[in-house]
Amino acid sequence: AQTVTQSQPEMSVQEAETVTLSCTYDTSESDYYLFWYKQPPSRQMILVIRQEAYKQQNATENRFSVNFQKAAKSFSLKISDSQLGDAAMYFCAYRIHEYTGRRALTFGSGTRLQVQP
Amino acid sequence: DTAVSQTPKYLVTQMGNDKSIKCEQNLGHDTMYWYKQDSKKFLKIMFSYNNKELIINETVPNRFSPKSPDKAHLNLHINSLELGDSAVYFCASSPRDRGTSALNTGELFFGEGSRLTVL
Repeated sequence: AQTVTQSQPEMSVQEAETVTLSCTYDTSESDYYLFWYKQPPSRQMILVIRQEAYKQQNATENRFSVNFQKAAKSFSLKISDSQLGDAAMYFCAYRIHEYTGRRALTFGSGTRLQVQP
Repeated sequence: DTAVSQTPKYLVTQMGNDKSIKCEQNLGHDTMYWYKQDSKKFLKIMFSYNNKELIINETVPNRFSPKSPDKAHLNLHINSLELGDSAVYFCASSPRDRGTSALNTGELFFGEGSRLTVL
């Protein structure tokens, strides 16, 4: 079974600084997706960034970037120039690429990010 | 237009009651899901339907019964509610994977969640 581990229950960063959230996963599959979702207090699940396993290039979305290490099964999220609005729970998630739809997202336990003004 | 909408957003009820949460998506997706988020924020898959067919049924008590009248709707009915059922329930949808992963985004689109409180 696939598992996703986020070892940092809470992180704190000063506004305008950079923070990195860690995520490791376990899988025997070769074709899969990795995601970071953000859940602010409004509880809406918002996709932050996506990485396809076949791509060697790390995904980037504005201030958000990932460090994808496929061999090490590591998928960390870097937030640059942190803003107060970045304060939220961040979930790392894994999903196999699969035709029948028999695989849902597997989530890590989440990291609560606080942004200090 | 809300892509994935759930009703109600909040639900407070007594132990032993029966309640339903409805979900609708207007994205034309083939697959819909129910997730449960517990008090520790852990998200766990409960059910998944693909074109009205149940394809994922995790270890969930029989008191929980999903129903999909069509591929745009997935409802969750809960019988004999217990205190431990208190949680936020998320509906989500995704297009079915096609071809190689290069042709797909793989992401799930979530509703706003329904907070169920059982007293």
